[in-house]
Amino acid sequence: LAKTTQPISMDSYEGQEVNITCSHNNIATNDYITWYQQFPSQGPRFIIQGYKTKVTNEVASLFIPADRKSSTLSLPRVSLSDTAVYYCLVAPAGGSSNTGKLIFGQGTTLQVKP
Amino acid sequence: DGGITQSPKYLFRKEGQNVTLSCEQNLNHDAMYWYRQDPGQGLRLIYYSQIVNDFQKGDIAEGYSVSREKKESFPLTVTSAQKNPTAFYLCASSQTRGTTNEKLFFGSGTQLSVL
Repeated sequence: LAKTTQPISMDSYEGQEVNITCSHNNIATNDYITWYQQFPSQGPRFIIQGYKTKVTNEVASLFIPADRKSSTLSLPRVSLSDTAVYYCLVAPAGGSSNTGKLIFGQGTTLQVKP
Repeated sequence: DGGITQSPKYLFRKEGQNVTLSCEQNLNHDAMYWYRQDPGQGLRLIYYSQIVNDFQKGDIAEGYSVSREKKESFPLTVTSAQKNPTAFYLCASSQTRGTTNEKLFFGSGTQLSVL
């Protein structure tokens, strides 16, 4: 299973761009990388998912280098409401004995200041 | 509205008592999951099920039991063997089964406390 490593916490100010990097050195060939956002006392919600290069949606961008051993979630012009915990998840390859065993890391607590 | 419903939102357990947390989804998802979250910590996988009548242990299954008799339901029982059950419990589901681009949809959670 691909283990993920993220910074425990980050601080930013409103209006800034925030980049959160996740390391996943033993990512498998067929694994995708997915990011989730969690507010206190709520379940995480899906932000973005990618396999390689760059993916962008209305909320964020995801950058994945060619070796896929890391990924970076980019949040443009953050606001106070972006204060949350962000998780990087690497899914096991389909057909493996651990298929479906989705393991989360510790996540990154982002604090946005006014 | 489609989604995942967890109940109750708050639950209290007496010592030696078994309690059951409910999780229902109307998304027609095959896979369902239970996670435990302690204060300030990440999510830890308790059990998961990829198909009806089948489930597998996660990393912290001891003291917990599950059943998957219906596609839409995946209840979690916290048994008396779980000596430290106080935590926030999250249920999730995903449409794909055993593929690499699974996207999880989470419920709103149940906070379990010990009296």
